[in-house]
Amino acid sequence: EIVLTQSPATLSLSPGERATLSCRASQSVRSYLAWYQQKPGQAPRLLIYDASKRATGIPARFSGSGSETDFTLTISSLEPEDFAVYHCQHRSHWPWTFGQGTKVEIK
Amino acid sequence: QVHLQESGPGLVKPSGTLSLTCAVSGDSLTSTNWWSWVRQPPGKGLEYIGEIYHIGSTHYNPSLISRLTISMDKSRNHFSLELTSVTAADTAVYFCARGGTGSYFLDFWGQGTLVTVSS
Repeated sequence: EIVLTQSPATLSLSPGERATLSCRASQSVRSYLAWYQQKPGQAPRLLIYDASKRATGIPARFSGSGSETDFTLTISSLEPEDFAVYHCQHRSHWPWTFGQGTKVEIK
Repeated sequence: QVHLQESGPGLVKPSGTLSLTCAVSGDSLTSTNWWSWVRQPPGKGLEYIGEIYHIGSTHYNPSLISRLTISMDKSRNHFSLELTSVTAADTAVYFCARGGTGSYFLDFWGQGTLVTVSS
């Protein structure tokens, strides 16, 4: 099973700041990685798929990069609605797994 | 717009069977997508339970494979989850979702339903 490790666990930032979230895989997942945003009491929402492609309706301030074992989600300028938990997930070898999540909180 | 809705009991007794159904609208289970179940224990991360493809192929999480069945009813456009011999560790919010974007990542989700295992 591929383990995805997200860092940091919590990111404390102010609106307007840049957020950089990391997801590291225990072995290569090529580019088969996605990022999701989850707010309390809600289902996750797909932001980025195939490492760097924005899902439908996702603002341009969200971008993804990386391949193989190291991936990054960047939010260029945090909006109030961006404070949430972010999960990465691979789809390289079954079983697909999620990272443990990074919480982006208001500083 | 694709919509998914989970339904089923919110309380299951230990050693019992957890059964959930996901009703799909706005898409057909005959389309070339994967139909998935994901769960999230209270205050914890997400766990992929399993998924079923339109031709009936399935992937089951190895940690649950001995207790898990995922099936689909194309005539009613819904798919189902059955998990036997449940314990308190199976208490979670259960989500159904469609794997349809890019490499079949989860692009549409149900709202989730909390299932508590308790006597």
